[in-house]
Amino acid sequence: GQNIDQPTEMTATEGAIVQINCTYQTSGFNGLFWYQQHAGEAPTFLSYNVLDGLEEKGRFSSFLSRSKGYSYLLLKELQMKDSASYLCAVRDNAGNMLTFGGGTRLMVKP
Amino acid sequence: DTEVTQTPKHLVMGMTNKKSLKCEQHMGHRAMYWYKQKAKKPPELMFVYSYEKLSINESVPSRFSPECPNSSLLNLHLHALQPEDSALYLCASSQVPKVSGNTIYFGEGSWLTVV
Repeated sequence: GQNIDQPTEMTATEGAIVQINCTYQTSGFNGLFWYQQHAGEAPTFLSYNVLDGLEEKGRFSSFLSRSKGYSYLLLKELQMKDSASYLCAVRDNAGNMLTFGGGTRLMVKP
Repeated sequence: DTEVTQTPKHLVMGMTNKKSLKCEQHMGHRAMYWYKQKAKKPPELMFVYSYEKLSINESVPSRFSPECPNSSLLNLHLHALQPEDSALYLCASSQVPKVSGNTIYFGEGSWLTVV
């Protein structure tokens, strides 16, 4: 089975940096995804990690440690439009199933 | 082009109706998925099609019937639904699942309300 945990809510200030953590305990692992989802919209792909280390994409970076079952999403230079839910998701060994954590609702304040 | 297109965007149906949700992608992806998402909850996997064959059915009630007519299309047929089935239904697609690095892309979803 899959157990994926992330904080329910976070608040940060415009222009700041925020780190959203995700821990997982899974029976299989074939990559970890981060998605952004604005209210009423579909999830949008942000990043993918399958090997340990940091992946950087502009203002967004994602880190993975497979031995610790741990990932984080780092958002720099926060903008108001970054207010959204951020979903951590783990893919199983067969590559078919993507299981989501509960999502972290990020509120960016002026 | 990383687009997954879903229609309709909004659907209201009675409990005795029969309707269908449609999903289309032209990225050459050979895996397609249906997810269900309730308000303030993460998406939950319903079905997976791999090479146009149903590979995973996550114990979904038979009132939901998926169909994959070809490699670009995925339908979800709905019949005799209950009000608790009201949710956002998300279609997604990806390359061959076992290939490392392949991303799963979501459509914009179909909002379903059962009355």
